[in-house]
Amino acid sequence: DTGVSQDPRHKITKRGQNVTFRCDPISEHNRLYWYRQTLGQGPEFLTYFQNEAQLEKSRLLSDRFSAERPKGSFSTLEIQRTEQGDSAMYLCASSFGSAKNIQYFGAGTRLSVL
Amino acid sequence: GESVGLHLPTLSVQEGDNSIINCAYSNSASDYFIWYKQESGKGPQFIIDIRSNMDKRQGQRVTVLLNKTVKHLSLQIAATQPGDSAVYFCAESISGGATNKLIFGTGTLLAVQP
Repeated sequence: DTGVSQDPRHKITKRGQNVTFRCDPISEHNRLYWYRQTLGQGPEFLTYFQNEAQLEKSRLLSDRFSAERPKGSFSTLEIQRTEQGDSAMYLCASSFGSAKNIQYFGAGTRLSVL
Repeated sequence: GESVGLHLPTLSVQEGDNSIINCAYSNSASDYFIWYKQESGKGPQFIIDIRSNMDKRQGQRVTVLLNKTVKHLSLQIAATQPGDSAVYFCAESISGGATNKLIFGTGTLLAVQP
């Protein structure tokens, strides 16, 4: 499967714990995006990488959130001191070059904070 | 509140009928638009896109219409099938922007009755 891969698919954690999600974009896609989706809503933009550079962060991304893409390939999203309000689906998308606007999404990581 | 977000607009159609899903976008500077299909437990799946220099674009069984005057987008699905049942989202972006982040609208739940 050459699509966007996200791991884990589901994560249940207790409030106050740290969690980390991984995203493997489509091979050779230089642009990588993180979105968050809550029940009944459309995805909301969190952050964007072009290669290894993080070029934009949404105001939704509080200081408890950090994202990295160290080698310009896979990316990680870490949430520190999780809160119940962090419960959501975290989606990763990637795109490339002249088709840069077509973002292909992974299946997401569903986070439940108890 | 959270309960409002759970009440997605719903379109119920009979199998074999044509479906039309509508979307109003917010930013007059947006020049690129995408329709995504999202099935339960999955990430958004790209259906079709259109740039602002076009009014209409056709794909396989799908057509997107863009009316920039009233900032309206529609997705037409011909001969709707049970497998088309899903939530449909429109998304807008500014293609010349630094990030090309997508701004998603409120989804529409398409329910296909056999």
